[in-house]
Amino acid sequence: AQRVTQPEKLLSVFKGAPVELKCNYSYSGSPELFWYVQYSRQRLQLLLRHISRESIKGFTADLNKGETSFHLKKPFAQEEDSAMYYCAPYYAGGTSYGKLTFGQGTILTVHP
Amino acid sequence: ETGVTQSPTHLIKTRGQQVTLRCSSQSGHNTVSWYQQALGQGPQFIFQYYREEENGRGNFPPRFSGLQFPNYSSELNVNALELDDSALYLCASSLNHYEQYFGPGTRLTVT
Repeated sequence: AQRVTQPEKLLSVFKGAPVELKCNYSYSGSPELFWYVQYSRQRLQLLLRHISRESIKGFTADLNKGETSFHLKKPFAQEEDSAMYYCAPYYAGGTSYGKLTFGQGTILTVHP
Repeated sequence: ETGVTQSPTHLIKTRGQQVTLRCSSQSGHNTVSWYQQALGQGPQFIFQYYREEENGRGNFPPRFSGLQFPNYSSELNVNALELDDSALYLCASSLNHYEQYFGPGTRLTVT
């Protein structure tokens, strides 16, 4: 079964501290991986996808196929990073064609 | 470029009733996916429509059904509503099922 685990429901850091949001996935095949973010009173929006290897708002995410992990990192957290973050593997093919599987999410709070 | 829109914003229904939720996809997108997000949970995939045909389905019963129209807008229909159907329903559009862009959601409350 496809499963996504975000072990931390809540994560608090101080401004300027490094932050890492963990994500582990259980999949057959080779899913694409995404991180989505939801700021307060805003819609869910795409933060980054592993295939593009981009850095968005200072965040990066490294796919580790051996550990089946896709942790999201930022070296210096900012208060505006406070939000709910979802890891979402995307599997195209078979009965899962076109499906995002979301983890339970991590609420990140960055304190001043 | 117009983003994904959903209507209505909020809805209250009684158990056993039927409900229709609507979604307008982002300009240029041909795929619509629907998700259910219960309180405190991540979104769960209901189904996806690609060029007016269902293209994948999650673990939801047949009383959850959908449609996609030639302009790629979509409807989600839920029959025989149950209390557990109370949730935020999200629609996401994409071009060829790739990067999905979400609407603001419809909050459904079943009493």
